[in-house]
Amino acid sequence: AQSVTQLDSQVPVFEEAPVELRCNYSSSVSVYLFWYVQYPNQGLQLLLKYLSGSTLVKGINGFEAEFNKSQTSFHLRKPSVHISDTAEYFCAVSPRRGSQGNLIFGKGTKLSVKP
Amino acid sequence: ETGVTQSPTHLIKTRGQQVTLRCSSQSGHNTVSWYQQALGQGPQFIFQYYREEENGRGNFPPRFSGLQFPNYSSELNVNALELDDSALYLCASSLLVPQHGYTFGSGTRLTVV
Repeated sequence: AQSVTQLDSQVPVFEEAPVELRCNYSSSVSVYLFWYVQYPNQGLQLLLKYLSGSTLVKGINGFEAEFNKSQTSFHLRKPSVHISDTAEYFCAVSPRRGSQGNLIFGKGTKLSVKP
Repeated sequence: ETGVTQSPTHLIKTRGQQVTLRCSSQSGHNTVSWYQQALGQGPQFIFQYYREEENGRGNFPPRFSGLQFPNYSSELNVNALELDDSALYLCASSLLVPQHGYTFGSGTRLTVV
């Protein structure tokens, strides 16, 4: 079984400041890792994913994440946030093997960017 | 390429009623998954359909059922609605192998009163 823990439910930050949204996971099998963003009253949009290879993954909108296998973490970072980054961010994992291929999500982190 | 389209966008039903939600998958995708997102929570996997058959199921009771059609579109049916079924229902399409990622629709907001 897999589980995902997002360590902060809310992160307030000022515009142009750096931000890190933390994600830890637990799994007995190898997984793929994802970060999704959800703007108010919308569905989920894929920010980035880790499948294999380089542990530093770059995504859309200037976000990046680093996979740390020993710490089972996949933290999301952005060096300088904008007001438009205000949204809820979800970390998710998916088993590499098995026919389900379903995503297991964390509870989300609400990023609030203040001017 | 077209994205994932869900209908309706909002719905209000009475406890005990039945509801059908619809999803058109992204062009080229053959797999559809449904998720329930309660207020303040992350999405929870309901089930996945591939080649018109259920291909995996989360921890949801049998009154949650689905269909996938030859054009890969899908329906989610919920019978005997309960107040706790109030949530945003998200549809995601993909290829069967998960590493290609999932494309989500904007969801259907279901309110059960």
